[in-house]
Amino acid sequence: NAGVTQTPKFQVLKTGQSMTLQCAQDMNHEYMSWYRQDPGMGLRLIHYSVGAGITDQGEVPNGYNVSRSTTEDFPLRLLSAAPSQTSVYFCASSYSGWGQGRYNEQFFGPGTRLTVL
Amino acid sequence: DAKTTQPTSMDCAEGRAANLPCNHSTISGNEYVYWYRQIHSQGPQYIIHGLKNNETNEMASLIITEDRKSSTLILPHATLRDTAVYYCIVRGLNAGGTSYGKLTFGQGTILTVHP
Repeated sequence: NAGVTQTPKFQVLKTGQSMTLQCAQDMNHEYMSWYRQDPGMGLRLIHYSVGAGITDQGEVPNGYNVSRSTTEDFPLRLLSAAPSQTSVYFCASSYSGWGQGRYNEQFFGPGTRLTVL
Repeated sequence: DAKTTQPTSMDCAEGRAANLPCNHSTISGNEYVYWYRQIHSQGPQYIIHGLKNNETNEMASLIITEDRKSSTLILPHATLRDTAVYYCIVRGLNAGGTSYGKLTFGQGTILTVHP
């Protein structure tokens, strides 16, 4: 299994540009999520999905859109990039987002490092 | 979810046990303790979790005090590859809405393993 993969690894955007960060998992996980990590800080949840066709907002959703057309893929779209969105973005997946236990252990991708000028 | 407090940094000699403490004095009865770590520039990695009993897996041991107000993650034989930021996370059972599935990462403990 490849686990959770993210592309691109690095990206530089100009203010106002849009782009899509890709995330895919091959573990047949129902739950997928996007976090951002700013320098010296913990991760913050942007959006999440509990299955194909179902998405919802996390704690910092403004400026981002998501969709989940398949179980495997969960892309994150930046609508109009701003310098405040400079961050490292992590995608994660787990069998379930609910309850406790090893079955909701979250597997993280390697991250996308985004700089907005 | 309950707040956690961890030391900012710790050092450990290679081959020795690393004991990483975490205080969670406001933990409630249905909240679990999770440990993740983040090796430099990588995504976080699950280590172990527990409710009230001590737990052990292939990576580490988790000791939770009887009153559940604190816990200790033990890496029995630390290696240089264990150098990372270690996060202690307390997560409730019924986290819903914008907290659904969310792991709340604080500042964590920077563990440095020395040769």
